Amino acid sequence: GQQLNQSPQSMFIQEGEDVSMNCTSSSIFNTWLWYKQDPGEGPVLLIALYKAGELTSNGRLTAQFGITRKDSFLNISASIPSDVGIYFCAGQPRGGSEKLVFGKGTKLTVNP
Amino acid sequence: DGGITQSPKYLFRKEGQNVTLSCEQNLNHDAMYWYRQDPGQGLRLIYYSQIVNDFQKGDIAEGYSVSREKKESFPLTVTSAQKNPTAFYLCASSIDGRGAKDYGYTFGSGTRLTVV
Repeated sequence: GQQLNQSPQSMFIQEGEDVSMNCTSSSIFNTWLWYKQDPGEGPVLLIALYKAGELTSNGRLTAQFGITRKDSFLNISASIPSDVGIYFCAGQPRGGSEKLVFGKGTKLTVNP
Repeated sequence: DGGITQSPKYLFRKEGQNVTLSCEQNLNHDAMYWYRQDPGQGLRLIYYSQIVNDFQKGDIAEGYSVSREKKESFPLTVTSAQKNPTAFYLCASSIDGRGAKDYGYTFGSGTRLTVV
């Protein structure tokens, strides 16, 4: 099946640093989504992107839908301890498949 | 408030026993999904349902069963045939089964199943 390659797998940063993570695919996606999962909880939607080239912000978070429709990135600026968690990218394939395809996640650790 | 509720939060099962995980949503979503999460494995799809009384196998359906008798409910049974059932289980729902339209998936808070 289709796969999303999400990187990095994990990150260890100091509070206040900026963070960048990305997802790539060999297939075209109609929609890109970014989720955050706190420890022991379900993922929560952070940002949804619906058009190629779209750049969307949500507070300190910024995400972009790649122009080729095969990639997306998420940036977090001025990280804080509560940013700790696992960040997942997800995409809706262009072929009209009903199910989202998920990346394997980026585990973020923020040291105070 | 609308949402999706999973229960229980923690579940312990003896080897050889079946166990059922509950998932209820009051979002009026058509589609519902079950995922399994293991450390470093991401989210793996077990079963999904786009409409009442219909469901399809996901990537790792062996050893699991589901039912969708009501739009609001999508329980997952972990059977004794599942060889390695200890994991974190997540239920999700979405509008019209096309996943990312408008809002993407809404997830429950998960059930951690441990076989003892």
